[in-house]
Amino acid sequence: RKEVEQDPGPFNVPEGATVAFNCTYSNSASQSFFWYRQDCRKEPKLLMSVYSSGNEDGRFTAQLNRASQYISLLIRDSKLSDSATYLCVVNQGYSTLTFGKGTMLLVSP
Amino acid sequence: EAGVTQFPSHSVIEKGQTVTLRCDPISGHDNLYWYRRVMGKEIKFLLHFVKESKQDESGMPNNRFLAERTGGTYSTLKVQPAELEDSGVYFCASSLRLAVNTGELFFGEGSRLTVL
Repeated sequence: RKEVEQDPGPFNVPEGATVAFNCTYSNSASQSFFWYRQDCRKEPKLLMSVYSSGNEDGRFTAQLNRASQYISLLIRDSKLSDSATYLCVVNQGYSTLTFGKGTMLLVSP
Repeated sequence: EAGVTQFPSHSVIEKGQTVTLRCDPISGHDNLYWYRRVMGKEIKFLLHFVKESKQDESGMPNNRFLAERTGGTYSTLKVQPAELEDSGVYFCASSLRLAVNTGELFFGEGSRLTVL
């Protein structure tokens, strides 16, 4: 089983749609969870942390389900500029942040 | 403020040659990380420096890879001799605090290595 698994997509959605991505992780001892965003041929950038109680940042909502070992990212009112690859990131130890392969989102007019 | 810079942006070498990648972290960031993305795979951790000390090098693939951070400023990653499977994008990242706690890794744009 991979350490961090994501559906690679692509998810094709029209502008204004709501879209959700899930990510599962294998290490039940993981304590830190994040979503990163990576534009084509660019570096990954932190989008948001994921807190146990769930958290929201504008149109983005992140949730954590420890029992099932998955995290989710919900994007409301999708914009063209949201088109990117969304990377699920989980800590696996003292130093290591483990990345998923990413889910590609394509928002069309 | 300058971000993380990496050099070269792209390197094409032949199998058996040596390549040295350089990373300049954000000024004041003691934590420096190397990651690698091989085509079709996820971004994988290679190693972590705190200042000039290697904190965790569990992700280094083999002894053909040598990372240094003399003086605790910039870092180099040398691949010698390069093999075909070393092709990929090598990302450097830095952080002020431990990234596993904050998630805040500032990545460079990466050095794309192609081994022919």
